[in-house]
Amino acid sequence: EIVLTQSPGTLSLSPGERATLSCRASQSVSSSYLTWYQQKPGQAPRLLIYGTSSRATGIPDRFSGSGSGTDFTLTISGLEPEDFAVYYCQQYDTSPTFGGGTKVET
Amino acid sequence: QVQLVQSGAEVKKPGASVKVSCKASGYTFTGYYLYWVRQAPGQGLEWVGWINPNSGVTKYAQKFQDWVTMTRDTSITTAYMELRQLRSDATAVFFCARWDTNTGSFDYWGQGTLVTVSS
Repeated sequence: EIVLTQSPGTLSLSPGERATLSCRASQSVSSSYLTWYQQKPGQAPRLLIYGTSSRATGIPDRFSGSGSGTDFTLTISGLEPEDFAVYYCQQYDTSPTFGGGTKVET
Repeated sequence: QVQLVQSGAEVKKPGASVKVSCKASGYTFTGYYLYWVRQAPGQGLEWVGWINPNSGVTKYAQKFQDWVTMTRDTSITTAYMELRQLRSDATAVFFCARWDTNTGSFDYWGQGTLVTVSS
């Protein structure tokens, strides 16, 4: 099973700042199957980015994804108040696994 | 629009069973696998298992396979997850989520069902 490690655990930033979230895999992940979700307290996760860099429907272009192999990044170019949340990466090879999450707080 | 609507919160005693439902609408129910994903309090996400609503075939994560059963009723486009022999440390939110085979991602999620296990 592929293990995903997200860093940092918590990112303390202010609105307008750039957020860079890392997701590292224990072995190579297909770029087609690397996904990012956003979760706010008391809510279900929301699909943000799939296939490493494709934004899901309705996701603003301040969210971008990149990476390959074992290292992937989610970038939020200018934090809006509604972006403060927990972000999870997820991969799929034979089964889906999730990273432990990065909390973006103000 | 695609919706997954889950049943409400449950409180159960250790050793009891619980059955959680997930009502799908806005798409062809039999066209997408449905997963169940667990989130313990303050923790991350882990997959519990999936069901193919077309065939009824299921697969469970090894950690859960001795105490979970997934079923579906295509006539009412609803999937179910039954958890048996609940332990006191089993309290968690369970989400159903639609699986997109093309992207290897969960594109729609239910709102979550909190299952509390307490004596």
